[in-house]
Amino acid sequence: GNSVTQMEGPVTLSEEAFLTINCTYTATGYPSLFWYVQYPGEGLQLLLKATKADDKGSNKGFEATYRKETTSFHLEKGSVQVSDSAVYFCALSDVPDMRFGAGTRLTVKP
Amino acid sequence: KAGVTQTPRYLIKTRGQQVTLSCSPISGHRSVSWYQQTPGQGLQFLFEYFSETQRNKGNFPGRFSGRQFSNSRSEMNVSTLELGDSALYLCASSDRTGNTGELFFGEGSRLTVL
Repeated sequence: GNSVTQMEGPVTLSEEAFLTINCTYTATGYPSLFWYVQYPGEGLQLLLKATKADDKGSNKGFEATYRKETTSFHLEKGSVQVSDSAVYFCALSDVPDMRFGAGTRLTVKP
Repeated sequence: KAGVTQTPRYLIKTRGQQVTLSCSPISGHRSVSWYQQTPGQGLQFLFEYFSETQRNKGNFPGRFSGRQFSNSRSEMNVSTLELGDSALYLCASSDRTGNTGELFFGEGSRLTVL
């Protein structure tokens, strides 16, 4: 079946550091891939998505590339800010099935 | 377009009581999914409704139930509450007609069981 495995946290970085959160997936079909972010006390918000192999999703300085050969969708940001502190979820959708990773808590210190 | 609306945002119940949570999806979305989020178990899928029919169900006891109305609004009910039911309950809607299956989440209903 479909599944998502993402890097365990928590991750603590200093402001302006480089961020990578690893995500790999297992899927029988051709899923779409997502990164969602959850700020304290809120629901999940879509951060970025990619719908086919080699697509790159990007938003707010975050990027992730759909790599079919390595079944990965790693999240990256070149320079994190304190305001990026949140929990990040990798997810795959092979309609109607939607699977989420366990979430990675990121804390950015000034 | 208004987003997904969940009510109530916060509630406190005691063991043995029951609770009903409500979710209004984005206009035009016919699919509503419910998730339970706890620090220990993370995000767990409860069920999905599409056009008033339950399409998928997660691994939760029968105390957890839901329904969807003809206007796509959905409710979930938890009966005979237990301490372990304390969680953030998230509702998500999608149009399901697109290929991506993207979900749009509400802010959640935080349930505390005492």
